[in-house]
Amino acid sequence: DIQMTQSPSSLSASVGDRVTITCRASQSISNYLNWYQQKPGKAPKLLIYTVSSLQSGVPSTFSGSASGTDFTLTISSLQPEDFATYYCQQSYSTPYTFGQGTKVEIK
Amino acid sequence: EVQLVESGGGLVKPGGSLRLSCAASGFTFSNTWMSWVRQAPGKGLEWVGHIRSETDGGTTDYAAPVKGRFTISRDDSENTLLLHMNSLKSEDTALYYCSTERHGYSYGWGQGTLVTVSS
Repeated sequence: DIQMTQSPSSLSASVGDRVTITCRASQSISNYLNWYQQKPGKAPKLLIYTVSSLQSGVPSTFSGSASGTDFTLTISSLQPEDFATYYCQQSYSTPYTFGQGTKVEIK
Repeated sequence: EVQLVESGGGLVKPGGSLRLSCAASGFTFSNTWMSWVRQAPGKGLEWVGHIRSETDGGTTDYAAPVKGRFTISRDDSENTLLLHMNSLKSEDTALYYCSTERHGYSYGWGQGTLVTVSS
C-alpha cells in the first residue's frame, strides 16, 4: 500500500496567516493527490483534486502544488472558517490512502 | 446537487453482521462510482472500498482490513449503495460515510452512520 505522511500533525496560526501543509507519498503517485477539509462533527469536504484543481465553490485562497512525491496545500490568508483538520489522499492505486491529518488551530 | 443519506448503523456484538445503506439523489447514480470511507472515534479517515458503475464493470476493491468480511453492492434501480459487514471486530467501530467518487477522489459525502462493535 502507498503510505501518505502528512506534516505537521497540528499547527497554530492567526487569521491572515499563510499556512502550508505537506504530504509525502511513499512512491510515485503521478498527480493523483487530493485534499479534504473536515470540521468537527461534519463530513469531509473536497477542496482540491489532482494536485491543484480547485473544487467548485472552494475559495481561491486554497491552492495545491507538487514536487515529485511531495505535495503541498497552501492557504494564502487564513480565514476564521478555515480552522479545521485537513487530509491528503492518494488516488493513484487502491487502497486509496489518507494522510493522518493536520489540525489547524487558532493561535 | 449530490445528496447522500446513510442509515443502518448501530450497536453490534463482535462477530456479528450489519448492513449499511446509502440513499442517493441529485445525480445520475447508475453512472457514478461510489465509495465507503470510515472514521474511528477521534481518528483520521480510512478508505474502506468502492464499487464501479455497471458500465465500468460494477467491480469492487477493498482495503485489506475489511477484505473478505465486507461486501459493497449497489441497486441502481433504487439509487442505493450498500455495505454488508460480517465478522465485525471492535476495530470496525467507526462513523461510516458513503461518497461519490470520480478518478479516485470523493466529491460528495453523506453525514455518516455510526457503527459500534462491542459486547
